[in-house]
Amino acid sequence: GQSLEQPSEVTAVEGAIVQINCTYQTSGFYGLSWYQQHDGGAPTFLSYNALDGLEETGRFSSFLSRSDSYGYLLLQELQMKDSASYFCAVRDGNQGGKLIFGQGTELSVKP
Amino acid sequence: DAGVIQSPRHEVTEMGQEVTLRCKPISGHDYLFWYRQTMMRGLELLIYFNNNVPIDDSGMPEDRFSAKMPNASFSTLKIQPSEPRDSAVYFCASSRLGTSGSPADYSYEQYFGPGTRLTVT
Repeated sequence: GQSLEQPSEVTAVEGAIVQINCTYQTSGFYGLSWYQQHDGGAPTFLSYNALDGLEETGRFSSFLSRSDSYGYLLLQELQMKDSASYFCAVRDGNQGGKLIFGQGTELSVKP
Repeated sequence: DAGVIQSPRHEVTEMGQEVTLRCKPISGHDYLFWYRQTMMRGLELLIYFNNNVPIDDSGMPEDRFSAKMPNASFSTLKIQPSEPRDSAVYFCASSRLGTSGSPADYSYEQYFGPGTRLTVT
């Protein structure tokens, strides 16, 4: 089977840096992606890591270590608008490559 | 581009009624996905299509659910008869082919529609 684990909640203050971790267990790993979802909104794509290392896109960065089955999303210079749920997702080789989402981490940014 | 379009945005119906959700993917995208999101089960893939052909429907809960994609610009998800436990937000998403070029490799970058909030009483 497959599983993804990420913290259910994270709280941080404006201007700070926060890291959201994701560990996964799946077969036929194809890569790790991250999505953001604001309350009442639709998930929006943030990043994708197929290879080990850090990918940076503006204030957001995503990291992958395939040997550790681990990745994280790093958000810098936090803003109030970053308050949202963040999902990691992997494709499961045993389930036809379907995209499996974690349960999501709710990030609250405080003033 | 207008993005993925879904209708209706909200649907309230009584148990036993038929419900039809509609989706228009982004033009040029080869893949279309239907997801369901609930607090208990999170975001679940129900079914996806490649070039209008259903590829994997293993996530469809039961025979009450059916999905069609008659052409590249339109898809429906139908629930008949509906039950209270079907209450959820249903998302449609679309994507291009992945970088490998393999038909089984859809891009990780999926574009989601605004969703349909379904309430079955």
